[in-house]
Amino acid sequence: NAGVTQTPKFQVLKTGQSMTLQCAQDMNHNSMYWYRQDPGMGLRLIYYSASEGTTDKGEVPNGYNVSRLNKREFSLRLESAAPSQTSVYFCASSEPQGAGQPQHFGDGTRLSIL
Amino acid sequence: SQQGEEDPQALSIQEGENATMNCSYKTSINNLQWYRQNSGRGLVHLILIRSNEREKHSGRLRVTLDTSKKSSSLLITASRAADTASYFCATGTGANSKLTFGKGITLSVRP
Repeated sequence: NAGVTQTPKFQVLKTGQSMTLQCAQDMNHNSMYWYRQDPGMGLRLIYYSASEGTTDKGEVPNGYNVSRLNKREFSLRLESAAPSQTSVYFCASSEPQGAGQPQHFGDGTRLSIL
Repeated sequence: SQQGEEDPQALSIQEGENATMNCSYKTSINNLQWYRQNSGRGLVHLILIRSNEREKHSGRLRVTLDTSKKSSSLLITASRAADTASYFCATGTGANSKLTFGKGITLSVRP
């Protein structure tokens, strides 16, 4: 059972380049999330998708776009990468939180922008 | 902005000792969750406690929630070297499915 799969695991970009981070889950979850984790900052929500066909901004959406391709897949795009976007990016999924449900995380994409 | 603030930021204990980690938050919540993150890996859910609950147990984990003080504690009993990790509290509010994470506590368990 793979859970949440993120690709790639590592990436180095030059300033101004674009790239898409991929995320897929096989747990039939409705909700999916993108976070970034920086030293001393914990996890900050970039975008989330409560269900297929919907996306909403989180705490730090500037410089990013997302696509909820289908129920399984939720991608994060950097159109013009900046050094400030150097971070570890995590994708997560869960059932809707009405009754409180845990989030399941992938192992992250480590992104460096030079 | 972080809703949860964990305390202490770092904790070092001897194997076999108990580890207590605290989390404070600012606004009303409907649930609070604790997660563990091993180095280089994603977060793993440990335990969830709802706003109408005061205490929950799961194996060697005990979580308490005091909504009047807006605080929670995570107790790991009889710690093991394998418990070495970062621990995060996360709060859920409102009707949507989002969580707000704290900055985390680094726990080191010395063999």
